[in-house]
Amino acid sequence: DAGITQSPRHKVTETGTPVTLRCHQTENHRYMYWYRQDPGHGLRLIHYSYGVKDTDKGEVSDGYSVSRSKTEDFLLTLESATSSQTSVYFCAISPKWDRDQPQHFGDGTRLSIL
Amino acid sequence: KQEVTQIPAALSVPEGENLVLNCSFTDSAIYNLQWFRQDPGKGLTSLLLIQSSQREQTSGRLNASLDKSSGRSTLYIAASQPGDSATYLCAVRPGSGGGADGLTFGKGTHLIIQP
Repeated sequence: DAGITQSPRHKVTETGTPVTLRCHQTENHRYMYWYRQDPGHGLRLIHYSYGVKDTDKGEVSDGYSVSRSKTEDFLLTLESATSSQTSVYFCAISPKWDRDQPQHFGDGTRLSIL
Repeated sequence: KQEVTQIPAALSVPEGENLVLNCSFTDSAIYNLQWFRQDPGKGLTSLLLIQSSQREQTSGRLNASLDKSSGRSTLYIAASQPGDSATYLCAVRPGSGGGADGLTFGKGTHLIIQP
């Protein structure tokens, strides 16, 4: 299995609080991604990173910010969580300069916002 | 905007049958297509990756085909087993024409193999 660790694995929090999810990889891959998975929508891209301090928006980026200060860590922040952000969040990685390689996914973080 | 559709949404078959899962996409300008398996409460496991220039890929009892021009892919599972029960997801990666990187996913086919 690809060396991807997501933390926390589960979190329950209240509306309006800030939340940060972490993705840590041991593969030294350049590309990292955050997706959310919701019933009826499937997985959708939130943000992605193509290098340290290089990030870009995906399909559903509103209400989320990201940071990547080291190759191995990609953080997803909900500045003020809302109930609509209750979801399962997945991190994925892909090798440097090699878009021919598959994306590999972490085990996910289940986030509930009450 | 790319859209990916998977048919059927759910499928239940007896053990031992051969089966086909379908995936279609609206924009043929893809870089590659990937099939995943997801078990309940778990992450995604990559099964097969087909480059846009390829027609098919095989791994064990799994065979995936790609017809890029018609926007279709199929996943063929031979001699199905109860352990194959899972949700199967199809995803396409955009070509190099700009726009966000990352995958566009279908909603999946929920497969149950009856013992």
